Amino acid sequence: DQQVKQNSPSLSVQEGRISILNCDYTNSMFDYFLWYKKYPAEGPTFLISISSIKDKNEDGRFTVFLNKSAKHLSLHIVPSQPGDSAVYFCAAMRVAGNTGKLIFGQGTTLQVKP
Amino acid sequence: DTAVSQTPKYLVTQMGNDKSIKCEQNLGHDTMYWYKQDSKKFLKIMFSYNNKELIINETVPNRFSPKSPDKAHLNLHINSLELGDSAVYFCASSQGSLLDRGDNEQFFGPGTRLTVL
Repeated sequence: DQQVKQNSPSLSVQEGRISILNCDYTNSMFDYFLWYKKYPAEGPTFLISISSIKDKNEDGRFTVFLNKSAKHLSLHIVPSQPGDSAVYFCAAMRVAGNTGKLIFGQGTTLQVKP
Repeated sequence: DTAVSQTPKYLVTQMGNDKSIKCEQNLGHDTMYWYKQDSKKFLKIMFSYNNKELIINETVPNRFSPKSPDKAHLNLHINSLELGDSAVYFCASSQGSLLDRGDNEQFFGPGTRLTVL
Protein backbone atom coordinates (compact mmCIF):
# COMPACT_ATOMS: atom_id res chain seq x y z
CA ASP A 1 0.00 0.00 0.00
CA GLN A 2 1.82 3.06 -1.26
CA GLN A 3 0.70 5.98 0.90
CA VAL A 4 2.56 8.61 -1.14
CA LYS A 5 2.20 8.55 -4.89
CA GLN A 6 3.72 10.51 -7.71
CA ASN A 7 1.64 9.40 -10.65
CA SER A 8 3.69 11.07 -13.35
CA PRO A 9 6.97 9.23 -13.84
CA SER A 10 8.31 12.00 -16.05
CA LEU A 11 7.74 15.59 -17.07
CA SER A 12 9.32 17.67 -19.81
CA VAL A 13 9.15 21.47 -19.92
CA GLN A 14 10.82 24.27 -21.83
CA GLU A 15 13.38 26.46 -20.13
CA GLY A 16 11.77 29.54 -18.63
CA ARG A 17 8.38 27.92 -18.27
CA ILE A 18 6.75 26.63 -15.09
CA SER A 19 7.29 23.05 -13.93
CA ILE A 20 4.54 21.54 -11.80
CA LEU A 21 5.25 18.28 -10.02
CA ASN A 22 2.38 16.55 -8.28
CA CYS A 23 2.08 14.26 -5.31
CA ASP A 24 -0.92 12.53 -3.73
CA TYR A 25 -1.14 10.90 -0.33
CA THR A 26 -3.70 8.77 1.44
CA ASN A 27 -2.98 9.25 5.15
CA SER A 28 -4.57 12.40 6.58
CA MET A 29 -2.37 12.08 9.68
CA PHE A 30 0.83 13.20 7.97
CA ASP A 31 2.38 16.20 9.77
CA TYR A 32 4.90 17.41 7.28
CA PHE A 33 5.70 17.15 3.60
CA LEU A 34 9.06 17.49 1.91
CA TRP A 35 10.45 17.63 -1.59
CA TYR A 36 13.85 16.27 -2.54
CA LYS A 37 15.82 16.51 -5.75
CA LYS A 38 18.18 13.82 -6.95
CA TYR A 39 20.82 13.83 -9.66
CA PRO A 40 22.14 10.53 -11.07
CA ALA A 41 24.75 8.84 -8.90
CA GLU A 42 24.16 11.30 -6.05
CA GLY A 43 22.09 11.26 -2.90
CA PRO A 44 18.82 13.21 -2.70
CA THR A 45 19.04 16.88 -1.76
CA PHE A 46 16.42 18.58 0.36
CA LEU A 47 14.53 21.30 -1.53
CA ILE A 48 11.59 22.60 0.42
CA SER A 49 9.06 21.47 3.01
CA ILE A 50 5.64 22.42 4.29
CA SER A 51 3.81 21.82 7.53
CA SER A 52 0.37 20.28 7.37
CA ILE A 53 -1.06 23.42 8.99
CA LYS A 54 -0.03 25.58 6.05
CA ASP A 55 -1.14 25.64 2.45
CA LYS A 56 1.84 27.31 0.81
CA ASN A 57 5.55 27.71 1.30
CA GLU A 58 7.85 29.59 -1.01
CA ASP A 59 11.63 29.60 -1.35
CA GLY A 60 13.03 31.44 -4.34
CA ARG A 61 11.94 29.73 -7.54
CA PHE A 62 10.34 26.87 -5.61
CA THR A 63 6.84 26.93 -4.16
CA VAL A 64 5.02 24.03 -2.55
CA PHE A 65 1.24 24.03 -2.32
CA LEU A 66 -0.72 21.78 -0.02
CA ASN A 67 -4.39 20.95 -0.49
CA LYS A 68 -5.34 18.90 2.56
CA SER A 69 -8.91 18.27 1.53
CA ALA A 70 -7.72 16.73 -1.72
CA LYS A 71 -4.68 15.11 -0.03
CA HIS A 72 -2.57 16.62 -2.75
CA LEU A 73 0.58 18.67 -2.88
CA SER A 74 2.49 20.16 -5.73
CA LEU A 75 5.89 21.69 -6.33
CA HIS A 76 6.09 24.65 -8.68
CA ILE A 77 9.39 25.68 -10.20
CA VAL A 78 9.38 28.97 -12.03
CA PRO A 79 11.20 29.81 -14.14
CA SER A 80 12.50 26.33 -14.91
CA GLN A 81 16.19 26.02 -15.73
CA PRO A 82 18.12 23.19 -17.44
CA GLY A 83 19.96 22.59 -14.14
CA ASP A 84 16.63 21.66 -12.57
CA SER A 85 16.61 18.47 -14.64
CA ALA A 86 16.62 15.70 -12.03
CA VAL A 87 14.37 13.23 -10.22
CA TYR A 88 12.06 14.87 -7.69
CA PHE A 89 10.80 12.93 -4.69
CA CYS A 90 7.86 13.90 -2.58
CA ALA A 91 7.90 12.66 1.03
CA ALA A 92 5.41 12.71 3.88
CA MET A 93 6.17 12.54 7.56
CA ARG A 94 4.09 11.47 10.53
CA VAL A 95 5.15 11.82 14.14
CA ALA A 96 3.42 9.73 16.80
CA GLY A 97 4.71 9.77 20.34
CA ASN A 98 8.38 8.91 20.38
CA THR A 99 8.53 7.51 16.92
CA GLY A 100 8.07 8.78 13.42
CA LYS A 101 7.49 7.66 9.88
CA LEU A 102 8.80 9.12 6.65
CA ILE A 103 7.41 7.81 3.37
CA PHE A 104 8.63 8.70 -0.10
CA GLY A 105 6.88 8.69 -3.43
CA GLN A 106 8.46 6.91 -6.36
CA GLY A 107 9.80 10.07 -7.95
CA THR A 108 9.17 12.14 -11.08
CA THR A 109 11.92 12.74 -13.60
CA LEU A 110 11.93 16.35 -14.74
CA GLN A 111 13.63 17.35 -17.96
CA VAL A 112 14.02 21.04 -18.70
CA LYS A 113 14.86 21.66 -22.32
CA PRO A 114 17.01 24.66 -23.29
CA ASP B 1 34.84 18.53 2.27
CA THR B 2 32.13 15.86 2.13
CA ALA B 3 29.29 16.31 4.61
CA VAL B 4 27.91 12.76 4.57
CA SER B 5 30.18 10.05 3.24
CA GLN B 6 29.60 6.37 2.66
CA THR B 7 31.98 3.54 1.96
CA PRO B 8 32.15 1.64 -0.23
CA LYS B 9 30.45 3.28 -3.20
CA TYR B 10 30.00 -0.07 -4.91
CA LEU B 11 29.77 -3.48 -3.31
CA VAL B 12 29.46 -6.72 -5.25
CA THR B 13 29.21 -9.90 -3.23
CA GLN B 14 27.87 -13.44 -3.21
CA MET B 15 24.67 -14.66 -1.61
CA GLY B 16 25.11 -15.73 1.98
CA ASN B 17 27.96 -13.37 2.73
CA ASP B 18 27.99 -10.77 5.51
CA LYS B 19 28.88 -7.21 4.61
CA SER B 20 28.97 -3.76 6.17
CA ILE B 21 28.44 -0.29 4.79
CA LYS B 22 29.92 2.61 6.70
CA CYS B 23 28.55 6.10 7.03
CA GLU B 24 30.07 9.19 8.57
CA GLN B 25 28.79 12.75 8.84
CA ASN B 26 30.88 15.77 9.77
CA LEU B 27 27.96 18.16 10.18
CA GLY B 28 27.57 17.71 13.91
CA HIS B 29 24.05 16.39 13.41
CA ASP B 30 22.23 14.43 16.09
CA THR B 31 20.22 12.15 13.81
CA MET B 32 21.29 9.67 11.17
CA TYR B 33 19.31 7.45 8.83
CA TRP B 34 19.57 4.53 6.47
CA TYR B 35 17.41 4.35 3.36
CA LYS B 36 17.03 1.70 0.68
CA GLN B 37 16.20 2.52 -2.93
CA ASP B 38 15.02 -0.59 -4.69
CA SER B 39 14.92 -1.47 -8.38
CA LYS B 40 11.60 0.35 -8.78
CA LYS B 41 13.27 3.50 -7.45
CA PHE B 42 11.19 3.64 -4.28
CA LEU B 43 13.15 5.28 -1.48
CA LYS B 44 12.28 3.71 1.87
CA ILE B 45 13.54 4.55 5.30
CA MET B 46 15.00 1.62 7.20
CA PHE B 47 16.41 3.02 10.44
CA SER B 48 16.91 6.29 12.24
CA TYR B 49 19.20 6.99 15.18
CA ASN B 50 19.04 10.10 17.33
CA ASN B 51 21.99 10.63 19.67
CA LYS B 52 22.93 6.98 19.21
CA GLU B 53 19.43 5.82 20.15
CA LEU B 54 17.27 3.91 17.68
CA ILE B 55 14.04 5.86 17.07
CA ILE B 56 12.80 4.40 13.80
CA ASN B 57 13.02 0.77 12.92
CA GLU B 58 10.90 -0.02 9.91
CA THR B 59 9.93 -3.52 8.99
CA VAL B 60 13.18 -4.84 7.64
CA PRO B 61 14.62 -8.33 8.05
CA ASN B 62 16.63 -8.74 11.23
CA ARG B 63 19.58 -9.64 9.01
CA PHE B 64 20.00 -5.87 8.82
CA SER B 65 21.54 -4.38 11.92
CA PRO B 66 22.52 -0.74 12.31
CA LYS B 67 25.34 0.17 14.63
CA SER B 68 26.10 3.64 15.90
CA PRO B 69 29.44 3.83 17.72
CA ASP B 70 29.05 7.59 18.09
CA LYS B 71 26.87 10.43 16.83
CA ALA B 72 28.95 10.91 13.70
CA HIS B 73 28.75 7.30 12.51
CA LEU B 74 25.96 4.93 11.60
CA ASN B 75 27.05 1.69 10.01
CA LEU B 76 24.80 -0.89 8.41
CA HIS B 77 25.65 -4.54 8.76
CA ILE B 78 23.88 -7.12 6.65
CA ASN B 79 24.07 -10.84 7.40
CA SER B 80 23.38 -13.71 5.01
CA LEU B 81 22.91 -11.50 1.98
CA GLU B 82 20.09 -12.39 -0.41
CA LEU B 83 19.47 -11.49 -4.05
CA GLY B 84 16.64 -9.17 -3.01
CA ASP B 85 19.03 -7.08 -0.97
CA SER B 86 20.48 -5.68 -4.18
CA ALA B 87 19.70 -1.97 -4.11
CA VAL B 88 21.22 1.42 -3.52
CA TYR B 89 21.57 2.24 0.17
CA PHE B 90 21.65 5.86 1.26
CA CYS B 91 22.82 7.22 4.55
CA ALA B 92 21.53 10.62 5.69
CA SER B 93 21.76 12.94 8.66
CA SER B 94 19.81 15.87 10.07
CA GLN B 95 20.15 18.26 12.98
CA GLY B 96 16.78 17.44 14.46
CA SER B 97 14.97 14.17 14.52
CA LEU B 98 11.73 13.23 12.86
CA LEU B 99 10.14 13.64 16.27
CA ASP B 100 10.78 17.38 16.29
CA ARG B 101 7.88 18.03 13.91
CA GLY B 102 9.85 20.88 12.52
CA ASP B 103 11.88 21.67 9.47
CA ASN B 104 13.99 18.60 9.23
CA GLU B 105 16.40 18.98 6.35
CA GLN B 106 18.22 15.76 5.73
CA PHE B 107 21.60 15.59 4.07
CA PHE B 108 22.19 12.46 2.06
CA GLY B 109 25.34 10.58 1.25
CA PRO B 110 26.12 9.57 -2.35
CA GLY B 111 24.76 6.06 -1.91
CA THR B 112 26.23 2.57 -1.95
CA ARG B 113 25.18 0.31 -4.78
CA LEU B 114 24.99 -3.23 -3.45
CA THR B 115 24.81 -6.09 -5.92
CA VAL B 116 24.25 -9.60 -4.63
CA LEU B 117 25.10 -12.38 -7.08
